[in-house]
This record gives sequence, C-alpha cells and structure tokens, in this order.
Amino acid sequence: AQSVTQLGSHVSVSEGALVLLRCNYSSSVPPYLFWYVQYPNQGLQLLLKYTSAATLVKGINGFEAEFKKSETSFHLTKPSAHMSDAAEYFCAVSGANSKLTFGKGITLSVRP
Amino acid sequence: GAGVSQSPSNKVTEKGKDVELRCDPISGHTALYWYRQSLGQGLEFLIYFQGNSAPDKSGLPSDRFSAERTGGSVSTLTIQRTQQEDSAVYLCASSLSPGGRVNEQFFGPGTRLTVL
Repeated sequence: AQSVTQLGSHVSVSEGALVLLRCNYSSSVPPYLFWYVQYPNQGLQLLLKYTSAATLVKGINGFEAEFKKSETSFHLTKPSAHMSDAAEYFCAVSGANSKLTFGKGITLSVRP
Repeated sequence: GAGVSQSPSNKVTEKGKDVELRCDPISGHTALYWYRQSLGQGLEFLIYFQGNSAPDKSGLPSDRFSAERTGGSVSTLTIQRTQQEDSAVYLCASSLSPGGRVNEQFFGPGTRLTVL
C-alpha cells in the first residue's frame, strides 16, 4: 500500500519569502512522487515529478523538490513566493497502472 | 493541442436522480482515470481505463457508480440514484500509456456535482 501525508491544511507566506510545503510518503516499492497544483476552478497541473533519476527535481514556475529516502520525504520549495503562487498543492504517489494516491492538499496563501 | 475536457462543468440534481458525466481525453491517450474531489475525503481514485477496458475499478464507492469508455476515447461516469454524499468535483485525467508508473496524467477542469 502507498500513501502520502501532507501536514497542515494551510500555509501563509509573504511575497518574496521562502515557500516550503511538506510531503511524507509511505511505499512498499521504490516510490514515484508528484507535486500537482490546482488553481481555483481549474484542474490539476503537474509541477514536478520524481522518478529516481535525480533526488533534486526542478519543476515549473521556479519550484523544486528533494527526495530524501532516509526521511521518506519529498518537500516542495520555492525561494521567493509570488502572488500568483496562491493555490492548492497536492503531493501524490503513483501505484499500479499509474493511478495516483494523493495527500489531503495544502492551500498556499501569499501576502503582499 | 486541446487538453482534457469535461462536461457539464456544473451539475445540480435532486437526490435519487441519475447523472452522467462526460470526459474527452487528449487525442491518442490510451489511459483514462476518474477521480473524485470532496471536502471530507480529498482526492480519491475511482476507476482506470486502458483503451475500452477497465482493469481497475477498485475506487468506485458503490454499485450505483459505473463508467464506460467507447472507441478508446470518450468516457462517461454514471451515478444512479444520487445521494447527497455524492456531491463533489469529479476529475478526469488521461495519459499516453499506463506503463512504468511515471507517466504524467493531464487533468480536465472537472465537473462539480451538487445533489440537493
């Protein structure tokens, strides 16, 4: 069985501040991990994915995530938040037939 | 090119009625997934299609839920005798193929279902 845990439901940062969204996973096989973003009234858009090629993964919009096996973590970061980053962020792990198991999601707010 | 489209975007129905939700995947994508997004349960997998067959229906919550896919393209999710707990956003996603667990799934905008 596979699962992901996203602690907390809401993160608020100031514009220009570091963004850190946490994700921990549980998997009986080497995990393939994803971060998706969902803007209001839209579907999910892939930010980045880990497929075991490199532990530091760079994605779109300046986001990156580091896979740490020892910590079973895949935290998402961005050095400097923009107002346009305000959205809901989901961590997910891929299972059989590539079906995704998602975390509960974290809402990111960016203060001017 | 066109992305995944879903219709209707919003659906309001009365308890006990049947509803049909439609998904048009990206052309050429053989894998198609349905997920449900609700306040209490988050994002949940419902069903996976490879071509017209559904080898994984493990996420369908009850026998009131069914889905089909025709011509390896359009898929319809049907909910019979809707209940208030069926209220949610139903998301469809497609990908080129299911192999290897690494393929990106492209999501549609969803259908927001409200059962009164």
